Amino acid sequence: GESVGLHLPTLSVQEGDNSIINCAYSNSASDYFIWYKQESGKGPQFIIDIRSNMDKRQGQRVTVLLNKTVKHLSLQIAATQPGDSAVYFCAEKGAAGNKLTFGGGTRVLVKP
Amino acid sequence: NAGVMQNPRHLVRRRGQEARLRCSPMKGHSHVYWYRQLPEEGLKFMVYLQKENIIDESGMPKERFSAEFPKEGPSILRIQQVVRGDSAAYFCASSPGPDLGQFFGPGTRLTVL
Repeated sequence: GESVGLHLPTLSVQEGDNSIINCAYSNSASDYFIWYKQESGKGPQFIIDIRSNMDKRQGQRVTVLLNKTVKHLSLQIAATQPGDSAVYFCAEKGAAGNKLTFGGGTRVLVKP
Repeated sequence: NAGVMQNPRHLVRRRGQEARLRCSPMKGHSHVYWYRQLPEEGLKFMVYLQKENIIDESGMPKERFSAEFPKEGPSILRIQQVVRGDSAAYFCASSPGPDLGQFFGPGTRLTVL
C-alpha cells in the first residue's frame, strides 16, 4: 500500500540556521508531492509542491528536493525564523486518484 | 480572496447524536476533499467530491458517515450516531482541478462526550 514516512519526529534549530526536513515515500508511482506547515489549532498551510518530472523546486526561503531513485523528499528552510516553528507534513499523490497520503509529521522548534 | 471556510470550528456532541460539518471551497474551486486528523498524527483521506458527485470515498467508513457536495451550497460531511472514536479534527481542502494543489480550511474539531 501507499505510505509516506518521516525520519525525524522533532527538529530543534537555532534561529538563523537552515532547516532540513526529510520524508521517505514507498509508492514509486507517486507523481506529485506537497509540503504543508501546520501550526497548533490551524489547518495545514500549503508551502511548496513538486512533480515527479522535477528534482528541485525553489520558493521563498524554501527548497524542495525530490530523489526518485531512493524515494526521498526533503524540505529545506533557509534562515529559519521563530515563525517557522510548526509541524511539517509531506504528502504524496499517486498517479491514480487525487487523494493525498500524509506522513506522520516533523515538529520544528526554532530556538532564539 | 477568502480561503476555504469551515464551520463550525468546534462541535460538541453526545454519543448517538448527529454531527454536520460544512465546507465552502475557495472561489473557483470545484474539487473538495475531506480528511480526518487525530492528535499528533498526519491527516487521513476520507472522501473526494466534485459538484454533485462523489469521486473517491475509499477512506470513508462504510457506516454512519456520508458526504455530499450539492450544486448550490457548501459540502457537508455528516456523521450519524457519533461515538467517542469519532472525536478528531476534520479538515476540508479544495483545488481548482484534479491534479493541482489542495488548500485546506481551518478544520472542525469534533468532541464526542
